[in-house]
Amino acid sequence: DTAVSQTPKYLVTQMGNDKSIKCEQNLGHDTMYWYKQDSKKFLKIMFSYNNKELIINETVPNRFSPKSPDKAHLNLHINSLELGDSAVYFCASSPSPTVLNTEAFFGQGTRLTVV
Amino acid sequence: DAKTTQPTSMDCAEGRAANLPCNHSTISGNEYVYWYRQIHSQGPQYIIHGLKNNETNEMASLIITEDRKSSTLILPHATLRDTAVYYCIVRVVGTASKLTFGTGTRLQVTL
Repeated sequence: DTAVSQTPKYLVTQMGNDKSIKCEQNLGHDTMYWYKQDSKKFLKIMFSYNNKELIINETVPNRFSPKSPDKAHLNLHINSLELGDSAVYFCASSPSPTVLNTEAFFGQGTRLTVV
Repeated sequence: DAKTTQPTSMDCAEGRAANLPCNHSTISGNEYVYWYRQIHSQGPQYIIHGLKNNETNEMASLIITEDRKSSTLILPHATLRDTAVYYCIVRVVGTASKLTFGTGTRLQVTL
């Protein structure tokens, strides 16, 4: 069973389109995250949700809107896609945002290519 | 979160121990040291973490200096599958926190 699963794995789309990436975790964790890894391989956090509530929102354009329908799901919707949005997006989960004696589990990533 | 400094790359012969250093000289008392790795095209994978005592699990050992300003991740018998980028991260306890990844160390295990 995959602990953190993302769909789709690959996404190629044109500039200006709107797209969504879905993430689900079956670990029973309270906290989920979106990270972005750019072409230079830097991994940066974008958002974090705890029990469906936004708790971390880094400096991310408003075109990116996360949605957490329940604590097992955290989706990422991107409006008006730009070339610079091309990256690998990783979803992750952890038991809690504050009890740090825990590990985070990452999905396999979604490679987004904007053309 | 405290900044970490790691060598850009290292090589290790298969079967030998890989010792990956990390400097975190500005670490504060409530920060843990975490290690993750990212094998090519995969999501990051947790390896180990510690506060001040040395830690060991089935994957690796973590040695933290007494002043906590540096640490070393030890893979006791490196294999080709351990080729990856290894990230040393320090993280504050007790707040809504995040893993802040640096540039990591690219470990190449060779025959």
